[in-house]
Amino acid sequence: SQTIHQWPATLVQPVGSPLSLECTVEGTSNPNLYWYRQAAGRGLQLLFYSVGIGQISSEVPQNLSASRPQDRQFILSSKKLLLSDSGFYLCAWRTSGASYEQYFGPGTRLTVT
Amino acid sequence: EDQVTQSPEALRLQEGESSSLNCSYTVSGLRGLFWYRQDPGKGPEFLFTLYSAGEEKEKERLKATLTKKESFLHITAPKPEDSATYLCAVQVSGGYNKLIFGAGTRLAVHP
Repeated sequence: SQTIHQWPATLVQPVGSPLSLECTVEGTSNPNLYWYRQAAGRGLQLLFYSVGIGQISSEVPQNLSASRPQDRQFILSSKKLLLSDSGFYLCAWRTSGASYEQYFGPGTRLTVT
Repeated sequence: EDQVTQSPEALRLQEGESSSLNCSYTVSGLRGLFWYRQDPGKGPEFLFTLYSAGEEKEKERLKATLTKKESFLHITAPKPEDSATYLCAVQVSGGYNKLIFGAGTRLAVHP
């Protein structure tokens, strides 16, 4: 069966510090991968998606970036965090086949102070 | 602009009191509608996919239905463990299967 991991689970970082969040998927190959951010009381906002190694598309302009160095690894980064980057970050995957549902990881709670 | 609206924002029920959550959407080309359950501090858990008007899916006390403009999540005789935020999302026509999420309905079921 497929499993998705995210770490760290929680993170408190000062403004201006760098960020690296990691997501890995097990039990599937060539998944589509997604990074979402969820602000309190709001819906999930798609940040980045990837259909393959090295292929990243950005949904919204911001100071975040994403990379996919391996087939089942997706990384979210920032060189300098802003207060507005605080939120709940979720990684999701779906198969590259016909079914469209996405499956989410446990999330990372980021607080920028 | 593609949009998903969920109502009510919050719902409080007594155990056993059945009700429905609404998800209305305005999208240019619907490929699918998805329901998720999210517990506090956790990632959303997939519940259902609906693809066409008239389609229904059931799982335990939950039943999801779809029309051309909205979807309902019916909860029959809820229990306290059904308390969670329920998220609706739609997938629109496009090259990368983007999901557009509603803000969710926070459901609290009291014994």
